[in-house]
Amino acid sequence: QVQLVQSGAEVKKPGSSVKVSCKASGGTFNTYAISWVRQAPGQGLEWMGGIIPIFGTENYAQKLQGRVTITADESTDTAYMELSSLRSDDTAVYYCTRGFVVIPACYYMDVWGQGTTVTVSS
Amino acid sequence: EIVLTQSPGTLSLSPGERATLSCRASQSVTRNYLAWYQQKPGQAPRLLVYGASSRATGIPGRFSGSGSGTDFTLTISRLEPEDFAVYYCQQYGNSPNTFGQGTKLEIK
Repeated sequence: QVQLVQSGAEVKKPGSSVKVSCKASGGTFNTYAISWVRQAPGQGLEWMGGIIPIFGTENYAQKLQGRVTITADESTDTAYMELSSLRSDDTAVYYCTRGFVVIPACYYMDVWGQGTTVTVSS
Repeated sequence: EIVLTQSPGTLSLSPGERATLSCRASQSVTRNYLAWYQQKPGQAPRLLVYGASSRATGIPGRFSGSGSGTDFTLTISRLEPEDFAVYYCQQYGNSPNTFGQGTKLEIK
């Protein structure tokens, strides 16, 4: 049973960048998507974007386009999410997920990482 | 993008009762590609249902999903104490993937 293990909590200054990692253990990315979902304190879930490593295709939420980059290293089964130009409203828990692809760029998320808290504060 | 509206915002019920949660889409969801997730405090969400009505691996039979087009329902037949949580729907039939705002199921 695959598990997704994320890197630890981060505290960042406004305007800086953060890079969160997500390693698959007990399995590989294979033909799945790896996507990122964030949750601000007390709020709902927001899909940020995803990558399908076997195809090398990425897609992002329009709201975050230009600030978020998702990459994957198939040799180590590790995915990364980098968010730049951080603002206070980027403070959230960031989850990586394994996505079961049904049509390009669309998937449901059957495995979730434990979450990484990113705090943006001056 | 497709907007998902969940109702009610909060549902107060007692263990043993039946829960009915609604998710309405702003336009028809392609091939009924709709999923439901459960999230408990301090935990990551867990997939319950995909394809509107297929239970995910290991999900108890008291959880069932139904619906098509723009109207979908998650039903919990007899509530157990561990079922009190927040539930989200998500559509994945049209890009971008989108989530509803959630329904909080609380103990009455």
